[in-house]
Amino acid sequence: EDKVVQSPLSLVVHEGDTVTLNCSYEVTNFRSLLWYKQEKKAPTFLFMLTSSGIEKKSGRLSSILDKKELFSILNITATQTGDSAIYLCAVARSYNTDKLIFGTGTRLQVFP
Amino acid sequence: EAQVTQNPRYLITVTGKKLTVTCSQNMNHEYMSWYRQDPGLGLRQIYYSMNVEVTDKGDVPEGYKVSRKEKRNFPLILESPSPNQTSLYFCASSPIDRGVRPQHFGDGTRLSIL
Repeated sequence: EDKVVQSPLSLVVHEGDTVTLNCSYEVTNFRSLLWYKQEKKAPTFLFMLTSSGIEKKSGRLSSILDKKELFSILNITATQTGDSAIYLCAVARSYNTDKLIFGTGTRLQVFP
Repeated sequence: EAQVTQNPRYLITVTGKKLTVTCSQNMNHEYMSWYRQDPGLGLRQIYYSMNVEVTDKGDVPEGYKVSRKEKRNFPLILESPSPNQTSLYFCASSPIDRGVRPQHFGDGTRLSIL
C-alpha cells in the first residue's frame, strides 16, 4: 500500500532555530514530491521535487529529494513565529499525475 | 484573483439532513478534487475529476457524491450525513498537462454533524 510518512509529528522551537522536517515514502510509480505549508486555512504550495540531489530554495526554506533512499527533507533556517504551521508532504504518482498521497503533516510551533 | 472558493466555511447540522458544499475555481483548471483532513490521518482524497462529466473515487468515497457539470464547479454532496463525516474539507484544483502541477486549495469547510 502506498504511504507517505512525516516526522516528527510536532516540533516546538524558539525563534532563530533551524529545523529539519522529514518525509519518507513508499509509492509505486513515483513522479514528484511536493511540500505545502498550512496555516489556518488552505495549504499553500512551497516546493515540488522531481530529481534527486537538486536543492530547491526559497528564502530561508530549502528542500531536497533522495530517490534512492525514498525521502525528502525540508529545512527552515532562522525560524520566525510566522513559520508556525503544519507542513504537509505529498507524493504524485506517474500514472495519475494529479492524484496526491499526503502525509499526516508536521506541526511546527515557533515561539519568540 | 486566482482562487478556489468553498461555501460554506462552517456548518453544523444533524444526522441525515442532506447537505452540499460548493467549490468553484476561476482558473479554468481541468482537475478538481475533494479532500477531508482529520487529526492523525492527514489529507485523504474523497473524489476527483479530470474534466467535465469525468469523476472518480478517491481513497475515502463512502457517503459522498460529486458532480462536474461545469468546468469551474465541483460540489460535494452528503446525502445522509453521519457524525463520522465531521471533518475539515478542502477542495483543490490544478491544470492538467504533461507535468505535475501543484494543486490550489480552497480555504476549507469545517463540517460538524451532530
